[in-house]
Amino acid sequence: DAKTTQPNSMESNEEEPVHLPCNHSTISGTDYIHWYRQLPSQGPEYVIHGLTSNVNNRMASLAIAEDRKSSTLILHRATLRDAAVYYCILGSGGSNYKLTFGKGTLLTVNP
Amino acid sequence: GAVVSQHPSRVICKSGTSVKIECRSLDFQATTMFWYRQFPKQSLMLMATSNEGSKATYEQGVEKDKFLINHASLTLSTLTVTSAHPEDSSFYICSARPGTGGSEKLFFGSGTQLSVL
Repeated sequence: DAKTTQPNSMESNEEEPVHLPCNHSTISGTDYIHWYRQLPSQGPEYVIHGLTSNVNNRMASLAIAEDRKSSTLILHRATLRDAAVYYCILGSGGSNYKLTFGKGTLLTVNP
Repeated sequence: GAVVSQHPSRVICKSGTSVKIECRSLDFQATTMFWYRQFPKQSLMLMATSNEGSKATYEQGVEKDKFLINHASLTLSTLTVTSAHPEDSSFYICSARPGTGGSEKLFFGSGTQLSVL
């Protein structure tokens, strides 16, 4: 499985934007970039995913580098409820689809 | 949005007993379900991939005779921890993938905290 590298932790202030980086230099052409987040004692929650183009949804934006070797999850205005572990994961479609989680980034949001 | 229900949320059992965990997709058909386990302050570890009507595919190092997975219908998968021991105490999480052939996102259950005494 292609691996991702994320900072162990990041800190942000409430109502400020947050940029969570992810490196995936060994990404293959068919790998999608997925982001999930997990609050304590809960299952992960889908945030966003993309292939080549930048993506936006109600939760976040995903900026993908032109060479696809890195990406950035952008939370436009962090709230206290955004404090979680954020996982950047590569996954390809098809019959062998599976998502393998790395260590993720623990995001702390200060009031 | 799509919902995955996992039951029970918490279970305490004696060493040597078996525990069954259910994972249901409530409003979609899940051709594939995944089972993960997570130890405190660690990431999720994929245990197995379960396809409806066929045998589960286990990740390397996961004992298939200890962690029995059944995916009998498109909306239900079960994980049975047989002869549980204290080292099996962990947070077990299921996820479901709707449809096939794409980059579909996974929907996760809320997890089951298993404590083996």
